[in-house]
Amino acid sequence: QSALTQPRSVSGSPGQSVTISCTGTSSDVGGYNYVSWYQQHPGKAPKLMIYDVSKRPSGVPDRFSGSKSGNTASLTISGLQAEDEADYYCCSYAGSYTLGYVFGTGTKVTVL
Amino acid sequence: QVTLKESGPALVKPTQTLTLTCTFSGFSLMTTRMRVSWIRQPPGKALEWLARIDWDDDKFYSTSLKTRLTISKDTSKNQVVLTMTNMDPVDTATYYCARTTEYFDYWGQGNLVTVSS
Repeated sequence: QSALTQPRSVSGSPGQSVTISCTGTSSDVGGYNYVSWYQQHPGKAPKLMIYDVSKRPSGVPDRFSGSKSGNTASLTISGLQAEDEADYYCCSYAGSYTLGYVFGTGTKVTVL
Repeated sequence: QVTLKESGPALVKPTQTLTLTCTFSGFSLMTTRMRVSWIRQPPGKALEWLARIDWDDDKFYSTSLKTRLTISKDTSKNQVVLTMTNMDPVDTATYYCARTTEYFDYWGQGNLVTVSS
């Protein structure tokens, strides 16, 4: 199963907005409204930031938002803060009896 | 409070079988729709989903690794076990377990496994 495609890196100054894209196929991103996003700081476990394309778990700042159009999902971080510097991974559910879950290639967000 | 913790060896030799245990609390795998997955991450690389076990004992595997993986559960101990056969240096990674629905909402801290002779 091929990984979902993400940009290798994005960067922005504090207070700015950055958007990370996540491109898959009709078998994963385009076929299900089950895209999730994870933040991972160095040496730490991933943390769920967005689920079901655009929902935020309790405790995740509303600066993080998600969307999807066709086979591409996006994560936007508004009002960038220093603590947002991390790796971000998208993931799509792709059917229990087919591909299972497919992760993205990962994006490094740098706060300038 | 939901917690998960992985345990297992830090070093295995090529061709050996890896056995990892995920011990969890704060939920039960006897509850409808509860699931636990294993996910791995080679150093400096992306996450990769490996396997999932459901409350009803349904099991699902990565298509590329399914011949080498077995997932099982012991509900009395709140544990999920993953075995991976014929380990190779390319399997060197941090192995995570995570509570699962259509996403992974709680993760363990990870268990780094190095495959080397």
